[in-house]
Amino acid sequence: GAVVSQHPSRVICKSGTSVKIECRSLDFQATTMFWYRQFPKKSLMLMATSNEGSKATYEQGVEKDKFLINHASLTLSTLTVTSAHPEDSSFYICSARDPVPSTDTQYFGPGTRLTVL
Amino acid sequence: EDQVTQSPEALRLQEGESSSLNCSYTVSGLRGLFWYRQDPGKGPEFLFTLYSAGEEKEKERLKATLTKKESFLHITAPKPEDSATYLCAVRVSGYNKLIFGAGTRLAVHP
Repeated sequence: GAVVSQHPSRVICKSGTSVKIECRSLDFQATTMFWYRQFPKKSLMLMATSNEGSKATYEQGVEKDKFLINHASLTLSTLTVTSAHPEDSSFYICSARDPVPSTDTQYFGPGTRLTVL
Repeated sequence: EDQVTQSPEALRLQEGESSSLNCSYTVSGLRGLFWYRQDPGKGPEFLFTLYSAGEEKEKERLKATLTKKESFLHITAPKPEDSATYLCAVRVSGYNKLIFGAGTRLAVHP
C-alpha cells in the first residue's frame, strides 16, 4: 500500500510554544490531505481537510488560528499548533487521499504524540 | 444525518475462534466503505475498500462483505497478532472526508 510519513513521531514542548508537524505522501501525489486528533481509546476526530494550493477547511469547533494548516505541495502538508497549552496534548494523525480511481483510498501516517508541559 | 455504528465495542476471542465485526451505516449516498486496523500508538492501516452491495474482499484471515445497510469483517481462526482496533469508515457522495465509526477493540488470546 501507499506510504504516508509524519515527523516528528513524538514531541514534548513547553506551554506557549508552537509546534510544527509534517505529513508527506511518499509514493503518490495527494491533492487532499486530512488532519485528525485522537484521544485515548477514542476514534479519530477530523480537524481539517487541506487541498493543495488552497485554504484548509476546518471542522466545526476547531480553532483556525490555533491549528494552522499549510498544503504547499502535492506531497507535503503541515500542521502548526500555535501557542500550545497542556489541553492540546494529544495524538495527531494525518492522512492523504490517493486519487487514482482504482484505489481512491485515504492512507494514514504513523501519528505524532504531542505533550505540552 | 450520516452515521456509522460499529459493534461490538470490544471483543475477546480465543485463538482459532472465528467471529465477525459489524459496521452499520446510514448515509445519503455511499461512495465507499473502508476498513482499517489500528494498533496502539500507531496510525490506522488500510485493509479494504468496498463500493457496492454484494462485494467481498479477502486478505489472509480477514474477509470484508457489504450490504446496503452494513458491512461485516469476518475473522477466521484469529491469532494473537490480529489483536487491534478495527475501524470502519464511509465516504459519502459530495464529500471528500471519511466518517468513522467508534471502532471495535479485538483481543485474541492464546
